[in-house]
Amino acid sequence: AQSVSQHNHHVILSEAASLELGCNYSYGGTVNLFWYVQYPGQHLQLLLKYFSGDPLVKGIKGFEAEFIKSKFSFNLRKPSVQWSDTAEYFCAVNAVSGATNKLIFGTGTLLAVQP
Amino acid sequence: EAQVTQNPRYLITVTGKKLTVTCSQNMNHEYMSWYRQDPGLGLRQIYYSMNVEVTDKGDVPEGYKVSRKEKRNFPLILESPSPNQTSLYFCASSLIHHRGQETQYFGPGTRLLVL
Repeated sequence: AQSVSQHNHHVILSEAASLELGCNYSYGGTVNLFWYVQYPGQHLQLLLKYFSGDPLVKGIKGFEAEFIKSKFSFNLRKPSVQWSDTAEYFCAVNAVSGATNKLIFGTGTLLAVQP
Repeated sequence: EAQVTQNPRYLITVTGKKLTVTCSQNMNHEYMSWYRQDPGLGLRQIYYSMNVEVTDKGDVPEGYKVSRKEKRNFPLILESPSPNQTSLYFCASSLIHHRGQETQYFGPGTRLLVL
């Protein structure tokens, strides 16, 4: 069965620190990859996505992610976090196989940025 | 304004009393989906629909029903709610890319408490 692993459940950083959140998936076929963010009390919204092409994708608010196919990974990075980045971050994998078209989420990483 | 709406936003009910949570989108999206969000478990897909009259089970479909009679609406039905269905529920919709799914747009969420 397909699965998505986010290794860091809670991350605490100071402002201006660099961020890297891990995401690994298990699925050998074609995948589309997403990072979503959920700010406190709000619904999920897209940060960035990868479908094909350049494996380094840039999203909103200075976030980027790199798809490494050989490692089944899609890690999220930001060089310098801000207090406003405090949120929960979800990696998601769209596994397309025949008639199925599921979107599988990781368990999320709660990021707290201290001013 | 492009959006996904859910109603009600908050619901307290008792075990066994049938309830329906409505979901509607105004973006003419083919794909619609329901998720539940629980602490430590992230988002888990309940059901999804690729188009009108086409629905399929996600990862946690037990105890839920859905229907897709119109493209814009995708109600979630709990025929006999139980306390373990207490959760935060999100509806989402997206276009279908030729390689799979496009970005999902999420509703504001419905917080359900089953006593």
